[in-house]
Amino acid sequence: GAGVSQSPRYKVAKRGQDVALRCDPISGHVSLFWYQQALGQGPEFLTYFQNEAQLDKSGLPSDRFFAERPEGSVSTLKIQRTQQEDSAVYLCASSFFSGGARETQYFGPGTRLLVL
Amino acid sequence: QQPVQSPQAVILREGEDAVINCSSSKALYSVHWYRQKHGEAPVFLMILLKGGEQKGHEKISASFNEKKQQSSLYLTASQLSYSGTYFCGTVIRGADGLTFGKGTHLIIQP
Repeated sequence: GAGVSQSPRYKVAKRGQDVALRCDPISGHVSLFWYQQALGQGPEFLTYFQNEAQLDKSGLPSDRFFAERPEGSVSTLKIQRTQQEDSAVYLCASSFFSGGARETQYFGPGTRLLVL
Repeated sequence: QQPVQSPQAVILREGEDAVINCSSSKALYSVHWYRQKHGEAPVFLMILLKGGEQKGHEKISASFNEKKQQSSLYLTASQLSYSGTYFCGTVIRGADGLTFGKGTHLIIQP
């Protein structure tokens, strides 16, 4: 079946612009995660949804970052007034159950964001 | 809080074995192993949930020592396709996301 998909795959933004990154999880997956991966580093946790409820947003680096999953499927990560330090790959992952990080997470290909 | 992976990089000849280690200063609930090739999504390898558990996946296996908060990934008779960066992701009780190490770069030469 189809895996996790993300769009766009690449995004170039001018400093100060707002961007929206989309994630389509595997159909039927309850849990959805967003991670940020800087060049040469491991992914860093941003936020976690269980269906439409955002249960953990402790990893969001500032109030410029906002995520939503209004119908419990597709999720959008929005970054307002982008800064150069926001340049990274943003990964989305989903898992079938509601066990949070205890379950296997399946990752999408990521959106590579470059802020100029 | 970030787990420490060692070594940082390994270069092997095809057919050789490798061990990648992951250690944490926190009490762990589980350890997840992923392989990521350049520009691609991390691919799930295995998850270890219990202390002392060992799992296998073809020629790739892993162990989890709950007392030491350490996990090791074993790659035997390595193949060219095993090249990539290996990440361990750890879960501490109460956390919702994975905390990843910095990765181990594995290069397999013919």
